[in-house]
Amino acid sequence: QSALTQPASVSGSPGQSITISCAGSSSDIGAYNYVSWYQQRPGKAPKLIIYDVSDRPSGVSSRFSGSKSGNTASLTISGLQAEDETDYYCSSPTSTNSVLFGGGTQVTVL
Amino acid sequence: EVQLVESGGGLVKPGGSLRLSCLASGFTFNTYTMNWVRQAPGKGLEWVSSISSTSSHISYADSVKGRFTISRDNAKNSLYLQMNSLRAEDMAVYYCASASNNWGIVKYFDYWGRGTLVTVSS
Repeated sequence: QSALTQPASVSGSPGQSITISCAGSSSDIGAYNYVSWYQQRPGKAPKLIIYDVSDRPSGVSSRFSGSKSGNTASLTISGLQAEDETDYYCSSPTSTNSVLFGGGTQVTVL
Repeated sequence: EVQLVESGGGLVKPGGSLRLSCLASGFTFNTYTMNWVRQAPGKGLEWVSSISSTSSHISYADSVKGRFTISRDNAKNSLYLQMNSLRAEDMAVYYCASASNNWGIVKYFDYWGRGTLVTVSS
């Protein structure tokens, strides 16, 4: 199966809000409310920041929020900060007992 | 504190084999679905395989099916990945990750190890 589709890069100025999209199909994102998002800094392991579409693990900033409409999920970062500049990945289980990740989005703070 | 520590990576020739291990601590290992996720140099994340808490349910990505075997030893809090017939495209950092699941569906990966690098080259 093909990876979920994310934009390669998104940028914004400090304090602004940005949204990263994650497009899938009725066999993955559209089939379950289990979209998750991960933040990955260079040379580090991914970190879970959103699960079950819109829930945040303890300790994750409320500036991160998630949503889903049909076969597309979104991650919004509000009040953009310099420390948010890194890579983000979406993920979803599929109806064929596998898991898909998006190709990743590099966030740049201008 | 949850810790996942991978080991076993290294340099292997195309067609060769390698066995990765992941030692878990800080949580009830035998109740979690465990997974391997890889990341090729400069590329994105790719799910490789999952194994349920009792090893009753196992799944693989099409790209590794028939070549890789996932297993676990709950008495040793350990997860394994036996990798055979390795190809250049298998070269990646391999992460061990625990997952929350619902009736066998992997919902999300909550804890990750630091990864172990597998290099496939002649």
